[in-house]
Amino acid sequence: NAGVTQTPKFQVLKTGQSMTLQCAQDMNHEYMSWYRQDPGMGLRLIHYSVGAGITDQGEVPNGYNVSRSTTEDFPLRLLSAAPSQTSVYFCASSTLTGTGEAFFGQGTRLTVV
Amino acid sequence: AQSVTQLGSHVSVSEGALVLLRCNYSSSVPPYLFWYVQYPNQGLQLLLKYTSAATLVKGINGFEAEFKKSETSFHLTKPSAHMSDAAEYFCAVSDGGLRAAGNKLTFGGGTRVLVKP
Repeated sequence: NAGVTQTPKFQVLKTGQSMTLQCAQDMNHEYMSWYRQDPGMGLRLIHYSVGAGITDQGEVPNGYNVSRSTTEDFPLRLLSAAPSQTSVYFCASSTLTGTGEAFFGQGTRLTVV
Repeated sequence: AQSVTQLGSHVSVSEGALVLLRCNYSSSVPPYLFWYVQYPNQGLQLLLKYTSAATLVKGINGFEAEFKKSETSFHLTKPSAHMSDAAEYFCAVSDGGLRAAGNKLTFGGGTRVLVKP
């Protein structure tokens, strides 16, 4: 069972560069989301999607874009990286109804220099 | 708006001693509550969840948590700590009254557990 797969695991960017963090799930979950993890702050929601073609902003969306063209994939784009975006990024998926929990990927550790 | 407060960013326990991690939440609707564990350089793994059934919830690895509505708490306990319990633990809430349990989680700041031999 692959679950939620994130790539890459590690990335170093220079300020101003762009990149896309990839996320794929094979559980046919409608709901997918991106969080960033910073020391002492837990995980904070960046963007989320309730299905293909539908996305919305979370708590900390500035500097990030998302799209959802398929049920399986939910990439996160940094258009112009800033040092403040240095963080660990987690993708998660869950069902849209019921009491099922969120499943998390292994994370992407991003450093912006 | 929901919020989660975890008391203590670091907890040190001796092997074999009780582990107690505190979590208080606020939610305007009956919540779903979760405890996740994160081992070094790994993702989050679900320990247990409360979804309005039994108030005492048993999870994996000997952990359990009790939902107390009057205290808005969901503290995590394990009677006897093991070296393998060293990790970071996160409490999370979602407003289950409006959406599915796994959607739009709000996390506490996390508690890092150190287990001393």
